[in-house]
Amino acid sequence: EAGVAQSPRYKIIEKRQSVAFWCNPISGHATLYWYQQILGQGPKLLIQFQNNGVVDDSQLPKDRFSAERLKGVDSTLKIQPAKLEDSAVYLCASSSTLNTGELFFGEGSRLTVL
Amino acid sequence: QKEVEQDPGPLSVPEGAIVSLNCTYSNSAFQYFMWYRQYSRKGPELLMYTYSSGNKEDGRFTAQVDKSSKYISLFIRDSQPSDSATYLCAMLASGGSYIPTFGRGTSLIVHP
Repeated sequence: EAGVAQSPRYKIIEKRQSVAFWCNPISGHATLYWYQQILGQGPKLLIQFQNNGVVDDSQLPKDRFSAERLKGVDSTLKIQPAKLEDSAVYLCASSSTLNTGELFFGEGSRLTVL
Repeated sequence: QKEVEQDPGPLSVPEGAIVSLNCTYSNSAFQYFMWYRQYSRKGPELLMYTYSSGNKEDGRFTAQVDKSSKYISLFIRDSQPSDSATYLCAMLASGGSYIPTFGRGTSLIVHP
């Protein structure tokens, strides 16, 4: 069974530029999460989708971050414009149902903002 | 006070030692408790999953939950250098938010 795929693995941009990350979850997983993990910290949820609907985006900085999951499968997370403090690993995870702690994570996309 | 507290370490032990990793929490609604392992430059992977209080064993790993003290532990017996990683605890409430809340992780180093 293929795992959660993410790309790109690494990205370096200047502040005020834009960046997009892509995630393809495990086949059949209805729930998809984007987490931000800053060095030395635990993952912090940005947004959670159930199929193509948003369940929770209360911690997404909506002035600069956006995410979509148009067909209920893969998802894109965009940052525009980027700030220095956005330097982090962006982790995508999927699960078969809501209300489960069994998340399957991708390897993450590491963003450096200069 | 953060919902989930976890000492970042690092915790350095010799090969073969018994390792104890811990988290405390403040939200009494948490019912599901998880331990994830994260190797350097990789995503977290689920290691142990327990519901409510009690113990759960899987090979060299034992997860323990004490809801009365709001305290969870992960024990690793006969630790190996391949166990060197960051261990993240995570918790989930029953009903309400469907979002696991993670601790900051404890870095474990097992040296030969």
